Amino acid sequence: GQSLEQPSEVTAVEGAIVQINCTYQTSGFYGLSWYQQHDGGAPTFLSYNALDGLEETGRFSSFLSRSDSYGYLLLQELQMKDSASYFCAVSHNAGNMLTFGGGTRLMVKP
Amino acid sequence: ETGVTQSPTHLIKTRGQQVTLRCSSQSGHNTVSWYQQALGQGPQFIFQYYREEENGRGNFPPRFSGLQFPNYSSELNVNALELDDSALYLCASSPTSGRAGNEQYFGPGTRLTVT
Repeated sequence: GQSLEQPSEVTAVEGAIVQINCTYQTSGFYGLSWYQQHDGGAPTFLSYNALDGLEETGRFSSFLSRSDSYGYLLLQELQMKDSASYFCAVSHNAGNMLTFGGGTRLMVKP
Repeated sequence: ETGVTQSPTHLIKTRGQQVTLRCSSQSGHNTVSWYQQALGQGPQFIFQYYREEENGRGNFPPRFSGLQFPNYSSELNVNALELDDSALYLCASSPTSGRAGNEQYFGPGTRLTVT
């Protein structure tokens, strides 16, 4: 089966940098995605890593190590609006059917 | 470009009843996936449809079924509702063949409460 582990909660202050880790166990791994979900909202796509290394998109970066079955999402210059839940998700076949982690609730404080 | 829409927004049903949830995919997207999200948890994959055929299924019983129509809209049907079916049901569409890594565009969800 598939399983993903990520911290349940992280707190940081405005302007800081925060890293949300994700470890996974899965068969037929294709890649790791990250989604953001505000309370009452729909998940929105942030990034996808299929190969080892760092992908940067503005203030957000995502890293993958396939050999370690590990990835992280890095959020820089935190803003209050970044307070949300962040989910890592594994694509475990070519059809992009996602298995999500339990989510990390990020609270950004002034 | 119209995003993913779902109806209804909220629904209250009684245990044992049947429910149909609807999803209109984003323009140009031929792949639709359905997820169940319990409160405080991550979405769980139910199934995916690609060009009107079921393309994959998660660990859900057969009383969860679906359809995709020629315009790529989709329905999720749940029979014999149980209390544990109370959740947010999310529909997500993706372009082309649903290739791994394609961004999935989620709808706002249908909040189902089973009493």
